[in-house]
Amino acid sequence: EVVLTQSPGTLSLSPGERATLSCRASQNIINSQLAWYQQKSGQAPRLLIHTGSRRATGIPGRFSGSESGTDFTLTISSLEPEDFAVYYCHQYGNSPLTFGGGTKVEIK
Amino acid sequence: QAYLVQSGAEVKKPGASVKVSCKAFGYTFNFNTYTMHWVRQAPGQGLEWMGWISAGKGYTKYAQKFQGRVTITRDTSANTVYMEVSSLRSEDTATYFCARNGLGAGGRDDGFDIWGQGTMVTVAS
Repeated sequence: EVVLTQSPGTLSLSPGERATLSCRASQNIINSQLAWYQQKSGQAPRLLIHTGSRRATGIPGRFSGSESGTDFTLTISSLEPEDFAVYYCHQYGNSPLTFGGGTKVEIK
Repeated sequence: QAYLVQSGAEVKKPGASVKVSCKAFGYTFNFNTYTMHWVRQAPGQGLEWMGWISAGKGYTKYAQKFQGRVTITRDTSANTVYMEVSSLRSEDTATYFCARNGLGAGGRDDGFDIWGQGTMVTVAS
């Protein structure tokens, strides 16, 4: 099973700042099939990024994804008030599908 | 616009079963094209993948943890998928989500692009 380790657990930032979230996979992910989701309290997750770096439909350009080997990064270039939430990475290239433990982005 | 609507909250006793439904809207013409997943989230915890079903042929695959206790089915005439958990225990208390597996150009797998609103299942005596 592919284990996804997200860091940091919590990121305390101010609106307008840049957020960098990390997701490290325990082994290679087939076809870069890694996604990022945003989840706000009491809501379902929302797809932000798929295939490592492709923005999902309707996602603002301030969200970007990148990869280097087994390391994946979600960057939010300038935090908006609505971006404070929990973010999960998710690999769907290897069975069983797995999720990272999440990174909470909170207001500093 | 495509969206998924799940059935309402449930309260069950240990040992009972629960069946949650997930009905698709806005893409019903292509319902059979997609794979549907189930994911659960215990209170205050992260996301856990449970299994999937191909809406067209009905093939299923389950996470090993849920094999034998979870059954995913579908009714193509109703554009609905179902997830049943048997022998419920307190650790099954969670919000259960259905999610559509997105399809990109050339059949590319695009992650879980549409999610249901979630169904809270509480297991308590």
